[in-house]
Amino acid sequence: TQLLEQSPQFLSIQEGENLTVYCNSSSVFSSLQWYRQEPGEGPVLLVTVVTGGEVKKLKRLTFQFGDARKDSSLHITAAQTGDTGLYLCAGRLAGGYQKVTFGTGTKLQVIP
Amino acid sequence: NAGVTQTPKFQVLKTGQSMTLQCAQDMNHEYMSWYRQDPGMGLRLIHYSVGAGITDQGEVPNGYNVSRSTTEDFPLRLLSAAPSQTSVYFCASRGQGYIQYFGAGTRLSVL
Repeated sequence: TQLLEQSPQFLSIQEGENLTVYCNSSSVFSSLQWYRQEPGEGPVLLVTVVTGGEVKKLKRLTFQFGDARKDSSLHITAAQTGDTGLYLCAGRLAGGYQKVTFGTGTKLQVIP
Repeated sequence: NAGVTQTPKFQVLKTGQSMTLQCAQDMNHEYMSWYRQDPGMGLRLIHYSVGAGITDQGEVPNGYNVSRSTTEDFPLRLLSAAPSQTSVYFCASRGQGYIQYFGAGTRLSVL
């Protein structure tokens, strides 16, 4: 059983469309991060959220941390082909844990 | 600034062979970790280290050994390779704010 479940697993959309990716858990996290991974490379950090209800924006990407710090979402406005990649959420459990657990991943394809 | 360097990039092993995946970082980070990535399962933590001489198990440690004799290096050893260990392996080091920096990965096939 994965600690962090992401949905959808796959997403194929046209350029210009909006989309939302979800990251859900039954556990409480001290912080949650979103990474993007391109083929043949390692993941690269996009954002870290630490406060329940926090919203962060990175150009066309909007990240939200749930009020209870158990879930997060990533919303992309007007998707571009450069957004294509694997999106991974990663969380550090509340309670002072050092380990970071990754979600199952969402593979996004943006078609021109 | 190289960041995190993994070698080799590709490797093919026969069942039962042993090998070491190398990982080096030049950012003076105390925390380093190894993950494996399989389709539909995200990244799963194999082993991690909070500093030289200190290692601990992650979610899927069986069949793998690690040691941390220096801050810079964190090698991962496969003792007796099995087909179930076919995967892409990523090493990461962690800086301030729990930001993880990943290497480019090692693609391992065990026949």
